[in-house]
Amino acid sequence: AQSVTQLGSHVSVSEGALVLLRCNYSSSVPPYLFWYVQYPNQGLQLLLKYTSAATLVKGINGFEAEFKKSETSFHLTKPSAHMSDAAEYFCAVRQTGANNLFFGTGTRLTVIP
Amino acid sequence: DGGITQSPKYLFRKEGQNVTLSCEQNLNHDAMYWYRQDPGQGLRLIYYSQIVNDFQKGDIAEGYSVSREKKESFPLTVTSAQKNPTAFYLCASSWGDMRYEQYFGPGTRLTVT
Repeated sequence: AQSVTQLGSHVSVSEGALVLLRCNYSSSVPPYLFWYVQYPNQGLQLLLKYTSAATLVKGINGFEAEFKKSETSFHLTKPSAHMSDAAEYFCAVRQTGANNLFFGTGTRLTVIP
Repeated sequence: DGGITQSPKYLFRKEGQNVTLSCEQNLNHDAMYWYRQDPGQGLRLIYYSQIVNDFQKGDIAEGYSVSREKKESFPLTVTSAQKNPTAFYLCASSWGDMRYEQYFGPGTRLTVT
């Protein structure tokens, strides 16, 4: 069965600093992996997805993630944080044989001016 | 514009009443989903439907019911049997292929007192 672990429910960074949000997955087969962002009282918006093509995936708003099979990780990064990046971020894995996603518990990112 | 609409944005009900949440999509997606979001727990799947007139239970289906009579509509009924119905409810849709991401609506916040 697939599962996703997001280390750190809250992350704080200074404006301009590196953003690193961690995601580890467990899957018996190569997974499809996704990062979503959620602003307060809104739905989720896709940042990027991994579908077994390039291991370094570039997304919107300057975010990217690297699929590392040996570490079963799909960490999200951004070189320089902006105030507008403050939100909650969810990592998700597609369940094998089904179309539904399994979500991590989320990481709330705070950007300090 | 294509997208997913959920109505209403905020909903208040008395305990013991059934309530139906609306979800409509004009993306021509085959699959639709309902998630429940509680603080610190991420998103949990309630029901999903991959085609019209067919749906499957997710991880927390007890106390909920759905229908899928039309491709574009997937209403969720929160019944009086749901023990803790106060939550943020998110509807999503996707193409049937597992490689494609899910698109989310803006959500409905349900408060039951």
